[in-house]
Amino acid sequence: SQQGEEDPQALSIQEGENATMNCSYKTSINNLQWYRQNSGRGLVHLILIRSNEREKHSGRLRVTLDTSKKSSSLLITASRAADTASYFCATPGGNFNKFYFGSGTKLNVKP
Amino acid sequence: NAGVTQTPKFQVLKTGQSMTLQCAQDMNHEYMSWYRQDPGMGLRLIHYSVGAGITDQGEVPNGYNVSRSTTEDFPLRLLSAAPSQTSVYFCASSYSPGSPTDTQYFGPGTRLTVL
Repeated sequence: SQQGEEDPQALSIQEGENATMNCSYKTSINNLQWYRQNSGRGLVHLILIRSNEREKHSGRLRVTLDTSKKSSSLLITASRAADTASYFCATPGGNFNKFYFGSGTKLNVKP
Repeated sequence: NAGVTQTPKFQVLKTGQSMTLQCAQDMNHEYMSWYRQDPGMGLRLIHYSVGAGITDQGEVPNGYNVSRSTTEDFPLRLLSAAPSQTSVYFCASSYSPGSPTDTQYFGPGTRLTVL
């Protein structure tokens, strides 16, 4: 499989704490994307980082990318109960016209 | 804009039945794709299309057919349903998947159960 792997598979934290999840991938990429999925819903795009970028911020989200290690991390700062969801990384493969998703990190933020 | 729409939301089939899952987008996106998501797992690509008249296989294409006669619509057909096809199916679209800044928009999903 060309899917990435996220780690940890599950994460439980208190509101206000930071949450870090990691993604490793196998193929060459031109970008890496993070998506969120609330229970029973479709996926929502969070942030995209290009292969020539090392770090990107969007609100409380911080993404890093290390192409030499084929890995990325997503940091959510000052988490809220509303951040409870599953988080997936996605990378383009083939001629960049196929997207491969990791197995996801299930985040539970306790109020 | 309605974005990406999928019908039906829920469906129960018996083994051997056929059906079509509908997907439509109103964003004039060239790229559309179908994924399945099994419990506790990520999304696996079934088929995708880079434009009207052009389709190709993803990771798990067996048992499914697609066609793309218009830019807006990308139906997924189950030829002879099997219990292994019980899953949640998501349709997605994007403007230009080869672009380093392109992102995907997802539909709400179709929950399919095959008995």
